[in-house]
Amino acid sequence: AAGVIQSPRHLIKEKRETATLKCYPIPRHDTVYWYQQGPGQDPQFLISFYEKMQSDKGSIPDRFSAQQFSDYHSELNMSSLELGDSALYFCASSSRRGLNHEQYFGPGTRLTVT
Amino acid sequence: AQSVTQLDSQVPVFEEAPVELRCNYSSSVSVYLFWYVQYPNQGLQLLLKYLSGSTLVKGINGFEAEFNKSQTSFHLRKPSVHISDTAEYFCAIGEGAQKLVFGQGTRLTINP
Repeated sequence: AAGVIQSPRHLIKEKRETATLKCYPIPRHDTVYWYQQGPGQDPQFLISFYEKMQSDKGSIPDRFSAQQFSDYHSELNMSSLELGDSALYFCASSSRRGLNHEQYFGPGTRLTVT
Repeated sequence: AQSVTQLDSQVPVFEEAPVELRCNYSSSVSVYLFWYVQYPNQGLQLLLKYLSGSTLVKGINGFEAEFNKSQTSFHLRKPSVHISDTAEYFCAIGEGAQKLVFGQGTRLTINP
């Protein structure tokens, strides 16, 4: 079965650079979530989209922005990167039409800021 | 506001021994409860979930959990663990199609 795809899997950037993370949800899933997991931390919710509209917002810095496109893939744009942005970034997708309320997670993008 | 507390940050057990990973939650509304497993350098995999109905939920890899509304708990159990169960386990709470709120995680270490 198709899973959530994230690219790139690994990314190394320098301070003050920008980064773009991409997420391709499971086909026919209409909702995408972004989470950030710092070293030794639990995943923290950043932002979510339903049918291409932002549906919820968590602890996402103003330097970050995200959107969901017409094909339902999503991109997380991160600017003015800081050392503290180094983390594993997960994307998850779900279908509101289904009743299992399960979020399917991608393998994550490991961002290292030097 | 919702919150999840995993009472043990680390749990070491011997192979083939039983294990219980504890999770308590706080919420003012009805919620859904999940347990996810994260193997080293990998993503999150769903072990099991409680949405409604029977309070005893069975998941993959021989794990099960019991939802206890009066004690606001959702403890994860396995009667006999294997070396391959070594991983980080996260309890999470969610409201419908909303975001998940995770606990701090419990590192399960299986000793031979």
